[in-house]
This record gives sequence, C-alpha cells and structure tokens, in this order.
Amino acid sequence: GQQLNQSPQSMFIQEGEDVSMNCTSSSIFNTWLWYKQDPGEGPVLLIALYKAGELTSNGRLTAQFGITRKDSFLNISASIPSDVGIYFCAGQWTYDKVIFGPGTSLSVIP
Amino acid sequence: NAGVMQNPRHLVRRRGQEARLRCSPMKGHSHVYWYRQLPEEGLKFMVYLQKENIIDESGMPKERFSAEFPKEGPSILRIQQVVRGDSAAYFCASSPPGGPVTDTQYFGPGTRLTVL
Repeated sequence: GQQLNQSPQSMFIQEGEDVSMNCTSSSIFNTWLWYKQDPGEGPVLLIALYKAGELTSNGRLTAQFGITRKDSFLNISASIPSDVGIYFCAGQWTYDKVIFGPGTSLSVIP
Repeated sequence: NAGVMQNPRHLVRRRGQEARLRCSPMKGHSHVYWYRQLPEEGLKFMVYLQKENIIDESGMPKERFSAEFPKEGPSILRIQQVVRGDSAAYFCASSPPGGPVTDTQYFGPGTRLTVL
C-alpha cells in the first residue's frame, strides 16, 4: 500500500532557529498537504500544494512539492514557542482519501 | 462559517457496548471522511461518504464498524461490541464539491473513545 515517511521523527530546537522537515512517498500524488496537530485537537491544514515543483508560503512557513511528485519539504523560519506540535505531511489524489505520514514532533526551547 | 463539528469529544464505553460518533461537516460540504488515530501515530483512513452513499470503505474493519451519511443530519460512525483495541481518536473531515483544487479536507476536533 501507499506509505509516507517523514524525517526527522522529532526535533528539539531553540526559539528563533529555522526548521526543515521532509516527507517521501513510495507512490506519486497529485496533491501534497502539510497539517499541524496540537494535543487533543484535530489536524489543521497549513499548506496545500497542487503542482509538481510548486513552492508555496504561508507566513513563516514554506513548502515545496517535489518534481518527482514523491516528496515534499516544509520549512519554518524563526521558530516561536507556539510552533510546538506534530507536523504531518499527507498525500492525496483528487476526491480520494488522504494518506498521512507518521509525523514529526517539534519542540521549541525558549 | 462553523468548522467541522464532532460529538461527543470524549466517549467512554465498556467492552461489548456500542459507540456512536457524530460528525457535522462544514456548511456547503458534501463529502465526509472518517480517520482513526492511535497514540503516537498518524491518521489512518477508514471510510469516505457522500450524502446517502458510501464511496470508499477500504479502511474500515469488516466487522462491527459501519458508517452512514444520511440525506438529513450528521454522519454517524458506529462501532458495535467495542473492544479495548478500538480505543483511539476518531476524526472526521469534510470537503466541498467542486474541482480538484477545492477538495481539501478540513478536520474536526475528534472524538476520543476509551474502552474499559
């Protein structure tokens, strides 16, 4: 079946540092998504990518859809304490289920 | 515009009882998806429904689990004769009808099911 891998599994960084996390897939998708989940809450969509090679920003967040359609990265610049949480990458085909990666846990040390 | 609503937020059941989880999609959304999340893991797809139709139930266990999205009212995920392994967070997501760039799924806050 389709599988996503995320790296790193967890990160501990100082406030103000930049963060980079990756996601790779054994299958191609036509949409890549990045979600953030806080404890006890549902995932919140951060960025959606619809075209291979697309680079999209949302505030301090930047994500890219790999040209092979099998990978994506998410960068967070100048991290702040509220960036703490679990970041999930996800792949999707149109009107189909979302396939989630296992998540990257981010901790920010003030 | 209210987001996806799920209730209850927390549900405790004893082994053998039934659990009913409800999901009201965002206004104007006609597609509903259910996912299950075990601790320390990502979300796993269970079932995709449109009004009165099950489109894809490939992630749903064959026994004890069922889902519906009636013409009126919320979508219901029903688990009969619950077992301890059913303890998890169950998330509902909805998406609007439309073209490929508008089918992004928005998630509810989840129902945390604990089976004693």
